[in-house]
Amino acid sequence: EAGVTQSPTHLIKTRGQQATLRCSPISGHTSVYWYQQALGLGLQFLLWYDEGEERNRGNFPPRFSGRQFPNYSSELNVNALELEDSALYLCASSPPHGLSYEQYFGPGTRLTVT
Amino acid sequence: DQQVKQNSPSLSVQEGRISILNCDYTNSMFDYFLWYKKYPAEGPTFLISISSIKDKNEDGRFTVFLNKSAKHLSLHIVPSQPGDSAVYFCAAIPSGGGADGLTFGKGTHLIIQP
Repeated sequence: EAGVTQSPTHLIKTRGQQATLRCSPISGHTSVYWYQQALGLGLQFLLWYDEGEERNRGNFPPRFSGRQFPNYSSELNVNALELEDSALYLCASSPPHGLSYEQYFGPGTRLTVT
Repeated sequence: DQQVKQNSPSLSVQEGRISILNCDYTNSMFDYFLWYKKYPAEGPTFLISISSIKDKNEDGRFTVFLNKSAKHLSLHIVPSQPGDSAVYFCAAIPSGGGADGLTFGKGTHLIIQP
């Protein structure tokens, strides 16, 4: 069974630019979560998508947004990049809501803002 | 306010001995607890979980214990092996799941010494 995949592996952007990160969940999983792991910090919840809808977002500004496509893959967009957005962005998927609480993570996208 | 705390940033254990990783939580709404293992440059890997209706869950070399009254859980790894060297994250989620994602501790770096 293929795991969660993320692309690109690394992304280097300049302050003020936009970044787009992509995630493909495990087959059969309908929920996608995005987390940020900044240097020295733990994993912080960013966004939750389920069945194509944004269900909740963490304590992040509106410049962080995304969407979930009909095939349940997801995209995270970060607008007007700031230096402090440099972090590892992790995507996780889980089975249809209520079936299981386990989340399975992809390898992450390392975003560097210069 | 850190709702999930892992107070030991690192732990060194001899190969073959028992590794005990600890985690405390403050939010009494948390109902389900998970442990993840993370190698550098990889996403977290799900290890084992426990529901608040249980006090122990075992899977091979890994056992998680939950003391709900003390709001404390621990992960026991026995015997410890070199491949267990990684950062271990404790995570929690409320009953009903999902909405706020997983709340993670900051991790404990486990080092298995030969």
